[in-house]
Amino acid sequence: AQSVSQHNHHVILSEAASLELGCNYSYGGTVNLFWYVQYPGQHLQLLLKYFSGDPLVKGIKGFEAEFIKSKFSFNLRKPSVQWSDTAEYFCAVRGNTGTASKLTFGTGTRLQVTL
Amino acid sequence: GAGVSQTPSNKVTEKGKYVELRCDPISGHTALYWYRQSLGQGPEFLIYFQGTGAADDSGLPNDRFFAVRPEGSVSTLKIQRTERGDSAVYLCASSYGGRRNSPLHFGNGTRLTVT
Repeated sequence: AQSVSQHNHHVILSEAASLELGCNYSYGGTVNLFWYVQYPGQHLQLLLKYFSGDPLVKGIKGFEAEFIKSKFSFNLRKPSVQWSDTAEYFCAVRGNTGTASKLTFGTGTRLQVTL
Repeated sequence: GAGVSQTPSNKVTEKGKYVELRCDPISGHTALYWYRQSLGQGPEFLIYFQGTGAADDSGLPNDRFFAVRPEGSVSTLKIQRTERGDSAVYLCASSYGGRRNSPLHFGNGTRLTVT
């Protein structure tokens, strides 16, 4: 069975601070990894994804994430956060076998950026 | 283009009643997913359709929950004899099925409240 662990439940940062949100997964095979973001009152949106190749992936709005296979991690980073980054962030994993299959989400990290 | 549409956006029902929640996926997406999200939690997988058939229904909590997708497009999640514990936001997502690296596109969800 696949599972995802997000260690930070609530993070408060000042604008321009750097961000790193932790994500660890458990799955006995190769994986696809995702970060989704949910802004207040909006639906879940894809921030970035990793399928294969370069373990450092870049997404929208200046976000990036690094896949470290040996650590089963896929941490999300941003060098300088903005107030508009206030949202809930979800890490997700999908087994990389067969056709499309279910995505398993972590419990989420609520990011609050203060001015 | 149009995204995933879910109706109603809010549903309040009494304990013991029957409810139906509807999902219109993105046109051309053959894979459709239902998730449930409780307060402070990540989306929890319920069921996944590939075309008209349920490819994985392992997340349905019990036999009060049922979902159909008779023509391979619109899907309905049906909950019988609702209980207060069923209160949550029910999310629908679709993807270009058959491709395991195809990201999920989510709707805004239906907030179900069982009184």
